[in-house]
Amino acid sequence: GQSLEQPSEVTAVEGAIVQINCTYQTSGFYGLSWYQQHDGGAPTFLSYNALDGLEETGRFSSFLSRSDSYGYLLLQELQMKDSASYFCAVPDSSYKLIFGSGTRLLVRP
Amino acid sequence: DAMVIQNPRYQVTQFGKPVTLSCSQTLNHNVMYWYQQKSSQAPKLLFHYYDKDFNNEADTPDNFQSRRPNTSFCFLDIRSPGLGDAAMYLCATSRDGVRTGAEDTIYFGEGSWLTVV
Repeated sequence: GQSLEQPSEVTAVEGAIVQINCTYQTSGFYGLSWYQQHDGGAPTFLSYNALDGLEETGRFSSFLSRSDSYGYLLLQELQMKDSASYFCAVPDSSYKLIFGSGTRLLVRP
Repeated sequence: DAMVIQNPRYQVTQFGKPVTLSCSQTLNHNVMYWYQQKSSQAPKLLFHYYDKDFNNEADTPDNFQSRRPNTSFCFLDIRSPGLGDAAMYLCATSRDGVRTGAEDTIYFGEGSWLTVV
């Protein structure tokens, strides 16, 4: 089966940079995704990495190292609205996405 | 415009009283999912459909059933809700699965909050 580990909580100040790590164990690897979820809201897709390296989308970047079974989400120029939970996820089958336990990010003024 | 629509957004039901949650999608995706999410936890997959093929997770209680009468609609039936079933229920879709790349991401609805009293 698949398992993912990520920190439960991270705190940072507005304007700063924060990195949320994710390590995974999979029987086969098909890519690492990141989702954002605000309190009371639905998860929304942020990024996807299938190959090693950094993918950048605006203030958010995601990194993958397949040899280390490791990835991270990098958030730059933090804003208050970035306070949310962030989940990494990997496919467990052709159809099933397994989520990590989530990292709660708190952005302070 | 919302592409995965769930109704109702908030549902209060009595212990043991059946409840149905509905989901519709305008994406014409083949795969539809139902996830259960409790506070401060990751979404947990209950089951999914690929077209009309139903796939139940091994640890999904029998109390949970699902119907997909057509491509656009999917229902979650909880036959006898218990206090432990209080959660947010998320409907989601994907075009053809989750293995082939970013274009096969999962799109979530806004969720249905279930309270059991």
